[in-house]
Amino acid sequence: AQTVTQSQPEMSVQEAETVTLSCTYDTSESDYYLFWYKQPPSRQMILVIRQEAYKQQNATENRFSVNFQKAAKSFSLKISDSQLGDAAMYFCAYRPFPFGNEKLTFGTGTRLTIIP
Amino acid sequence: GAVVSQHPSRVICKSGTSVKIECRSLDFQATTMFWYRQFPKQSLMLMATSNEGSKATYEQGVEKDKFLINHASLTLSTLTVTSAHPEDSSFYICSARGQTYAQYFGPGTRLTVT
Repeated sequence: AQTVTQSQPEMSVQEAETVTLSCTYDTSESDYYLFWYKQPPSRQMILVIRQEAYKQQNATENRFSVNFQKAAKSFSLKISDSQLGDAAMYFCAYRPFPFGNEKLTFGTGTRLTIIP
Repeated sequence: GAVVSQHPSRVICKSGTSVKIECRSLDFQATTMFWYRQFPKQSLMLMATSNEGSKATYEQGVEKDKFLINHASLTLSTLTVTSAHPEDSSFYICSARGQTYAQYFGPGTRLTVT
């Protein structure tokens, strides 16, 4: 079974600085998808960024980028120029590639605090 | 695009009654929807996968007779908590798979059973 590990229960960063959230996963598959979701105090889960395992290029969405290391099974999220609105729980998630199995496996989350 | 709504956002019911939660994909069709449960300060736990026109697939340990799921159309799935008890109090979240492989989540429903 796949597992997703987020080893940082809490992180904090000064506003406008850069922070990196860690995620590792375990799978025997070669093709899969990885995601970072954000859950602010409203509890609405918001997709931040996605990565296909077959793509070597790291995904980027504005201030959010990932460092995908397939051999190391590592998928970290970098947030640049941190803003107060970035404060939230961040969940890393894994999904197998075949459309017959679409279950997301979530990590335990990292609570990010932005210091003004 | 890819907006998912849930109704109600909050519900309080008495022990022994049933509660229905609706999940709708507003601007796309979703053949597959998912229902999660989230306890305070914890991650999401998948309860079941809902497929349009067929029976839901429940995760191990989830009582299918207690948590009834109906996916009647490509834009609507419902979760009914039958004979609710205080231990069923939780935050319930649905998601829908869009045209890509990502899941898009509803805003959640907070259920309190008194």
